Amino acid sequence: NAGVTQTPKFQVLKTGQSMTLQCAQDMNHNSMYWYRQDPGMGLRLIYYSASEGTTDKGEVPNGYNVSRLNKREFSLRLESAAPSQTSVYFCASSRTGRVGSNEQFFGPGTRLTVL
Amino acid sequence: QKEVEQNSGPLSVPEGAIASLNCTYSDRVSQSFFWYRQYSGKSPELIMSIYSNGDKEDGRFTAQLNKASQYVSLLIRDSQPSDSATYLCAVDQGGKLIFGQGTELSVKP
Repeated sequence: NAGVTQTPKFQVLKTGQSMTLQCAQDMNHNSMYWYRQDPGMGLRLIYYSASEGTTDKGEVPNGYNVSRLNKREFSLRLESAAPSQTSVYFCASSRTGRVGSNEQFFGPGTRLTVL
Repeated sequence: QKEVEQNSGPLSVPEGAIASLNCTYSDRVSQSFFWYRQYSGKSPELIMSIYSNGDKEDGRFTAQLNKASQYVSLLIRDSQPSDSATYLCAVDQGGKLIFGQGTELSVKP
């Protein structure tokens, strides 16, 4: 099992460009999450999907959109990238969001630079 | 007040010693607590989860939870240089995890 995979690993964008970060998991998990990690700010939740067909905003959703394509895949889209979106992006998944089955497992991350 | 607080460190311990990492949280209804290890340039890796008051041991790692004091800790016994990393505390809040900023641990040979 590959666990949680993310593509691309690295990306450089110019301000105003758009891109989609891809995430897939092969653990048959119901819940998936997108985080960003910035120095001094820790991990912050952007969006999450508690189950297939649902998505909800996290702490820092502005400037992002998500799509839960199916049970395996959860993508994050930047419509018009800004330098403030330079960060490391992590996707994670868990069996559910309920106590006892909410351990989250992380992908390797995407390092995004917006110039 | 931050929802999940950790000392940022760095915490430096000699090889073979016990490393003690601490975390406090503000949401009294939280029921799930996690410790992640993150090596520089890598993704967070789950090392412990704890749901009930008391201690939970897994190898050299012991997680301790005190819900009344809103406090969770991680003890690493017989610390090794390979334990040098940032340790993230995470607390469940309604199906989402809130992370502390992490404590950097350095184990000196």
